[in-house]
Amino acid sequence: DTAVSQTPKYLVTQMGNDKSIKCEQNLGHDTMYWYKQDSKKFLKIMFSYNNKELIINETVPNRFSPKSPDKAHLNLHINSLELGDSAVYFCASSPTVGTSGRLVYEQYFGPGTRLTVT
Amino acid sequence: QKEVEQDPGPLSVPEGAIVSLNCTYSNSAFQYFMWYRQYSRKGPELLMYTYSSGNKEDGRFTAQVDKSSKYISLFIRDSQPSDSATYLCAMSAWNTGFQKLVFGTGTRLLVSP
Repeated sequence: DTAVSQTPKYLVTQMGNDKSIKCEQNLGHDTMYWYKQDSKKFLKIMFSYNNKELIINETVPNRFSPKSPDKAHLNLHINSLELGDSAVYFCASSPTVGTSGRLVYEQYFGPGTRLTVT
Repeated sequence: QKEVEQDPGPLSVPEGAIVSLNCTYSNSAFQYFMWYRQYSRKGPELLMYTYSSGNKEDGRFTAQVDKSSKYISLFIRDSQPSDSATYLCAMSAWNTGFQKLVFGTGTRLLVSP
């Protein structure tokens, strides 16, 4: 069973278009994330939701809008796509507290969505 | 200057070699240190996780943290061609229970048969 899944896997679109990426996790985690990985493999956090509440909102253009309908799903909508948005977008999830009751810092990543803007 | 620095490589070694991968960081508040492995066109997967300073061993992999030097390492013994991947270090500070990982740029490792 896939733990963290993303759709679509590949997305090719033109500048100015609006697109969405969807993420689902079946791990029972309460926190989900969006990351952007550029062509040099640098992975940077964009957003994080905990139980549907936005808790991390990095310096990201307003054209990017995350939405979490429930704690198992996190979507990313991008308006007016630009060439610089081309990257691989990863969704991740994690529990906040582990079985021992301690804070947990392990995140589980999806397979990524490769976005190409032409 | 990035908070976490990592040599991008590539690092090429023959099968069976001992591999040393390293990261330096500038934020002394970091307490949690992780290594992720990322195969080509796949998502990162957690390899090792260490809290504070010290060593941790898991099979052929050993993670070391030296907080006084702000330096972490991952050692791979008896490297295999299947270890060829990009290795990303990641670290985090305690932050009101919410996790914000800061990643290095990753080191690409190539193990030749």
